[in-house]
Amino acid sequence: GAGVSQSPSNKVTEKGKDVELRCDPISGHTALYWYRQSLGQGLEFLIYFQGNSAPDKSGLPSDRFSAERTGGSVSTLTIQRTQQEDSAVYLCASSFWSNQPQHFGDGTRLSIL
Amino acid sequence: GENVEQHPSTLSVQEGDSAVIKCTYSDSASNYFPWYKQELGKRPQLIIDIRSNVGEKKDQRIAVTLNKTAKHFSLHITETQPEDSAVYFCAAGGGTSYGKLTFGQGTILTVHP
Repeated sequence: GAGVSQSPSNKVTEKGKDVELRCDPISGHTALYWYRQSLGQGLEFLIYFQGNSAPDKSGLPSDRFSAERTGGSVSTLTIQRTQQEDSAVYLCASSFWSNQPQHFGDGTRLSIL
Repeated sequence: GENVEQHPSTLSVQEGDSAVIKCTYSDSASNYFPWYKQELGKRPQLIIDIRSNVGEKKDQRIAVTLNKTAKHFSLHITETQPEDSAVYFCAAGGGTSYGKLTFGQGTILTVHP
């Protein structure tokens, strides 16, 4: 596609539920990144993929967070047993290769009630 | 890991004035330094980037300078316009945590007509 696509754009769920966020990178981009942005804050790195491998998952806040990427394209970020502190905008970015310019999607705004 | 400090947190200028935002980083192995502009409710957009083998890069009214010895880099916007008003983020990447970007906390730039 023309740009990084994320879905859903908004997600409201109850505390304790599981959520799945999707990212479709720019066609041909081999690297994919997940970041989190809390209200009025900077971007916090979560995990990145080169192809289907995740060389760096150091930013995942807890074992409730997991991500996968299959076929070197679409990635899903899963949050289990959501907590209120998980409320944030989850941003996905992609680049042609690692350490190349990253282009962001519009994000998923996650609200935990 | 990498740590990026960004100053000032807010910056207010008159239209036509110049604006300068400064960042410092901690990982001497970092070699890629992008700047992003984020308008309210929108995705971060890459506006300029620089690699460690270059000291300065310019694109129309925007320039970035890098001092590897001091581990700091700066964004310069000349002849500011009201549409430059946004949050600007610096980032550092390519160091020991190859691939991921570590972001500064952001600068809210307001350009008054």
